[in-house]
Amino acid sequence: AQKITQTQPGMFVQEKEAVTLDCTYDTSDPSYGLFWYKQPSSGEMIFLIYQGSYDQQNATEGRYSLNFQKARKSANLVISASQLGDSAMYFCAMREGRGVTDKLIFGTGTRLQVFP
Amino acid sequence: EPEVTQTPSHQVTQMGQEVILRCVPISNHLYFYWYRQILGQKVEFLVSFYNNEISEKSEIFDDQFSVERPDGSNFTLKIRSTKLEDSAMYFCASSVSLLGANQPQHFGDGTRLSIL
Repeated sequence: AQKITQTQPGMFVQEKEAVTLDCTYDTSDPSYGLFWYKQPSSGEMIFLIYQGSYDQQNATEGRYSLNFQKARKSANLVISASQLGDSAMYFCAMREGRGVTDKLIFGTGTRLQVFP
Repeated sequence: EPEVTQTPSHQVTQMGQEVILRCVPISNHLYFYWYRQILGQKVEFLVSFYNNEISEKSEIFDDQFSVERPDGSNFTLKIRSTKLEDSAMYFCASSVSLLGANQPQHFGDGTRLSIL
């Protein structure tokens, strides 16, 4: 079973509009973290936002916010006031476990295109 | 802002040759990782490294792969005898601690490895 599922291979949004990128996850570990990374066409991975499983409030970071619904096991990324520079691949990732390592498990990504 | 640096940005190697990918993690970080991303696919975990030893490795990380922290700053990934299927973008990442609420893994810009 997929640990991280991103069901939207591609999304389009008009500049200045908000967009939601979906992410669902699967884990039996009560302690985990959820991350979103942005990958522009140049290839680098840019950390955007983090949500811990015990966090009471949804994470926010500037124009990025995370709609965390623990019972549904979803952690959707909301980008408000989209900009042309937001066009990129977006990856949801999960970190689980409390051992000596904490590898990230990535989803397949969503390609976001922002048009004028 | 401190960042993870990777060299070279692009490496072209003949099949069967050895290749070393280099990374300088953020200076106060203690946990180090290698991931790879085959073109058009998701990011996959290879190996994590802490306290001068491997903490965890994936099935991809077979005997052809090795990691080393030869001094206090560099973290290297060696592929002993490259295969065509090793062609990918290789990302180094580091984090200061495990499972901290504000401690994501910070990624370098990647090394694109092309095997001919």
